[in-house]
Amino acid sequence: GDSVTQMEGPVTLSEEAFLTINCTYTATGYPSLFWYVQYPGEGLQLLLKATKADDKGSNKGFEATYRKETTSFHLEKGSVQVSDSAVYFCALTLRGSNYKLTFGKGTLLTVNP
Amino acid sequence: NAGVTQTPKFRILKIGQSMTLQCAQDMNHNYMYWYRQDPGMGLKLIYYSVGAGITDKGEVPNGYNVSRSTTEDFPLRLELAAPSQTSVYFCASSYGQGNTGELFFGEGSRLTVL
Repeated sequence: GDSVTQMEGPVTLSEEAFLTINCTYTATGYPSLFWYVQYPGEGLQLLLKATKADDKGSNKGFEATYRKETTSFHLEKGSVQVSDSAVYFCALTLRGSNYKLTFGKGTLLTVNP
Repeated sequence: NAGVTQTPKFRILKIGQSMTLQCAQDMNHNYMYWYRQDPGMGLKLIYYSVGAGITDKGEVPNGYNVSRSTTEDFPLRLELAAPSQTSVYFCASSYGQGNTGELFFGEGSRLTVL
């Protein structure tokens, strides 16, 4: 079945460090890809998305590029801040699936000052 | 500007008790979902609905029931609580068609079964 694999956490960085969180997927069709973020004590919220190959999603300094050839959607940020500390989830949805999301297990990011 | 509202935020149940988690959205979304989040396991879909009167099972439906009598409300029922149902439950909604699948989540309901 469809699945999302993302790098195990936790990830601990110093402020202004470069961030990469790897995400790869397996899908029977042509998925749309998402990164969601969950701040402490809150629900998930959409960070960025990409709906077709080579699309780049971006928001709040985060970027991810839809790579069909490597079935990947890695999340990057050039300079993290303490306020970026959260759990990050990679997810996919397939056309015709009633927009159901399949999630990765999540990666906890902690940014220290 | 409420979005998706879940109640209660916290609840402790004894084994065998029943309860309903409430979920309401004010965005006129057709699609609604219930997920559970377990540590290190991501989110698993329990049930979903594509409109009032229509519900379907997700990946982990056993031990749960849902109903969708209105567009706004999508309650989740636990009939005989078991320790395996200790989790954080998230309700979400989506406009659906033309929206490329973005989901809007509530703040979650933390349930402990003892």
